[in-house]
Amino acid sequence: KNEVEQSPQNLTAQEGEFITINCSYSVGISALHWLQQHPGGGIVSLFMLSSGKKKHGRLIATINIQEKHSSLHITASHPRDSAVYICAAPNFGNEKLTFGTGTRLTIIP
Amino acid sequence: ETGVTQSPTHLIKTRGQQVTLRCSSQSGHNTVSWYQQALGQGPQFIFQYYREEENGRGNFPPRFSGLQFPNYSSELNVNALELDDSALYLCASSLEPGGFTEAFFGQGTRLTVV
Repeated sequence: KNEVEQSPQNLTAQEGEFITINCSYSVGISALHWLQQHPGGGIVSLFMLSSGKKKHGRLIATINIQEKHSSLHITASHPRDSAVYICAAPNFGNEKLTFGTGTRLTIIP
Repeated sequence: ETGVTQSPTHLIKTRGQQVTLRCSSQSGHNTVSWYQQALGQGPQFIFQYYREEENGRGNFPPRFSGLQFPNYSSELNVNALELDDSALYLCASSLEPGGFTEAFFGQGTRLTVV
């Protein structure tokens, strides 16, 4: 069992739809990263959060530390949001980030 | 633009050869982490350097080694390349070690071993 699991693995939606990507983790953490990876490989950090909710533009991330679950939401989705979204959790006591396998999001115009 | 640059962007090597990948971190970032990402998989932690010392290592053999320099640049060296080493290699810099500080990723180096 992976320590960090994401769902769904692939998601295709129409432009304008509300998107939700989920992340569950079994490692003991108090923070979680959401990352965006475009074709070609470059990774951009979207959020690092340890409680509650954060919002950047059309992106919203929530986390429930007790339930070990986080969600990334995209409102009014746009084709340029098409990318792989990855959650990553740091382990307590070491310096390692454990990554989920990613959710491939495709937004159709 | 993350301020982290990697070189080269693409590289083809032959099995058994050695390779050096380079990363230039953001100024002031004392920590650099290296990751290997196989096709269709999430990145896997290779190791981390903090103030020029190794500060944590994942499940990679000793033929994966690294260096970090005072000018915020670093290297990942892989000896005796194997076909399975073909992957995207990512570096990420941060102010401090640990997963609780924001990490800034480079664009990656895509290594193909033939």
